[in-house]
Amino acid sequence: DAKTTQPNSMESNEEEPVHLPCNHSTISGTDYIHWYRQLPSQGPEYVIHGLTSNVNNRMASLAIAEDRKSSTLILHRATLRDAAVYYCILRDSQAGTALIFGKGTTLSVSS
Amino acid sequence: ETGVTQTPRHLVMGMTNKKSLKCEQHLGHNAMYWYKQSAKKPLELMFVYSLEERVENNSVPSRFSPECPNSSHLFLHLHTLQPEDSALYLCASSQEPGIYEQYFGPGTRLTVT
Repeated sequence: DAKTTQPNSMESNEEEPVHLPCNHSTISGTDYIHWYRQLPSQGPEYVIHGLTSNVNNRMASLAIAEDRKSSTLILHRATLRDAAVYYCILRDSQAGTALIFGKGTTLSVSS
Repeated sequence: ETGVTQTPRHLVMGMTNKKSLKCEQHLGHNAMYWYKQSAKKPLELMFVYSLEERVENNSVPSRFSPECPNSSHLFLHLHTLQPEDSALYLCASSQEPGIYEQYFGPGTRLTVT
């Protein structure tokens, strides 16, 4: 799987939008962009994924750059429960099964 | 609640003990996974099972022995572990192997003394 680069940490205030960036300049045409998050003392949790078009679900939105070399996970209104480590992961639709986790971005949310 | 349960949640064992970790998924999925998360390190995939057959084994020492008796249950048998094996062991499942989203259990926190 291709490599991703994320900031180590970000801070947000409750009720404000959060934009979590991810760079993946070596992405291939068959790589899907997946986001997972891990809350303290829990296993990772699937958030969203996309290939080329922007995606929305009940948890978040995923904005994908036109050249696909970067993407942004958008939490529209942060809550304290959103404090977690967020992982941006590329997954090749042609290849194996593993989720290859990096260090992710630790998001802190203040009230 | 993700539909994936793991027991026990915490385990302390000596280096000469034998213990087993259990995972059960209630999602009707066909693929199950074991991951290891050590302090300060990213999650590492250990094993992948698809319909009770092992399809991936990522160079894991033989002191870790997985077992998948059916598509809903996955075990990790532990014997003669080392202190550096202390970690959070996470089980996950997905509809099929491949790029489907994976659903994780809460993990078993293992301490080897």
